[in-house]
Amino acid sequence: GPKVLQIPSHQIIDMGQMVTLNCDPVSNHLYFYWYKQILGQQMEFLVNFYNGKVMEKSKLFKDQFSVERPDGSYFTLKIQPTALEDSAVYFCASSLDGLGGYAEQFFGPGTRLTVL
Amino acid sequence: GDSVTQTEGLVTLTEGLPVMLNCTYQTIYSNPFLFWYVQHLNESPRLLLKSFTDNKRTEHQGFHATLHKSSSSFHLQKSSAQLSDSALYYCAPITSGGNYKPTFGKGTSLVVHP
Repeated sequence: GPKVLQIPSHQIIDMGQMVTLNCDPVSNHLYFYWYKQILGQQMEFLVNFYNGKVMEKSKLFKDQFSVERPDGSYFTLKIQPTALEDSAVYFCASSLDGLGGYAEQFFGPGTRLTVL
Repeated sequence: GDSVTQTEGLVTLTEGLPVMLNCTYQTIYSNPFLFWYVQHLNESPRLLLKSFTDNKRTEHQGFHATLHKSSSSFHLQKSSAQLSDSALYYCAPITSGGNYKPTFGKGTSLVVHP
């Protein structure tokens, strides 16, 4: 089936540094999402993105977070600067549509971010 | 905004017993689309079931659910639990009024033991 790729699979950085998480969504998908999952907890919505714009973001999407998809390449989540509480697995997802039968989201394998 | 309530926390079952995970949603918008996602340990979530048709049963991989708009519910059921069903299950409605943001529930952790 359709696959979403995420690079890197693991990232370890020092607190205060910048990190960029990369997502390669399914090729014809138009809607993109980021989720955060702390170990042992439920997955939580961060942001969704369509047509070059953020559609909605949650309270977890702090000012230090930003997303973009320049020229149809990777969909990225940038955190600058990072904080200890940003340590989590970040899942990227994409869907063909935002509503309806084609709103099924396909998830990437996740990037495990560790902030020291 | 939209919200969803799932069976809380952990559900523990003996293999072979029926599974019932509750999901009710709250929205002011009509025609919600409902999804169940499953996340096995150390994996990413994937779609299990979806529906937008009132009172129509949808089935996949032994699981089934029926969207009841009258009670705003989309409960997940299976007649006989298997060990491999142990996972985290998310109910996620999407409505037209929410900037297409899926409202994931807190998830229900299902543990099936022999």
